[in-house]
Amino acid sequence: DVKVTQSSRYLVKRTGEKVFLECVQDMDHENMFWYRQDPGLGLRLIYFSYDVKMKEKGDIPEGYSVSREKKERFSLILESASTNQTSMYLCATRQGRPGELFFGEGSRLTVL
Amino acid sequence: GIQVEQSPPDLILQEGANSTLRCNFSDSVNNLQWFHQNPWGQLINLFYIPSGTKQNGRLSATTVATERYSLLYISSSQTTDSGVYFCAGLPWGSNYKLTFGKGTLLTVNP
Repeated sequence: DVKVTQSSRYLVKRTGEKVFLECVQDMDHENMFWYRQDPGLGLRLIYFSYDVKMKEKGDIPEGYSVSREKKERFSLILESASTNQTSMYLCATRQGRPGELFFGEGSRLTVL
Repeated sequence: GIQVEQSPPDLILQEGANSTLRCNFSDSVNNLQWFHQNPWGQLINLFYIPSGTKQNGRLSATTVATERYSLLYISSSQTTDSGVYFCAGLPWGSNYKLTFGKGTLLTVNP
């Protein structure tokens, strides 16, 4: 079974803090994704990575950056957290295109 | 981009009832999945079904790719089936980005 592990289920941070959300997968998948989910707006793609050190912007990359130094790990970074980044963050992986997408448990971030 | 329309948006059932959820795509997709989001927010894979019919216990799904729709059937529903059901597809012109529907909120009452 594919296992996608997100580092924190719940986080509370203050405005201006730097926030790291980490995602680790154990299936040697090529593609990894970060989504955010908000009521009424559905799932929106922030960034994705198709290989180590390779990344592409999704629909809403502003205010975020990512890092993929190793194949199994994809990090989402909020350089200076703001209250409008309070959301549910979901990491996902996929072997290739096409292919089945698998999600982690989600990280619920609150920025005060 | 393509549009993904899910219906109904909300559904309330009594335990034991059957239901059908529908997903329509405005254009062809070459990758279609159904997910269930549980009350804790995790998206659970139900079916990877670009075409044809699959069954897994009380759940089954059918995708008619030529007509750009997919159906999810839930039989003998249980309270644990409650949650939001999403379909998502990868458009032929897209390399990576899955397009999600807005979901169907299912509530199963005891």
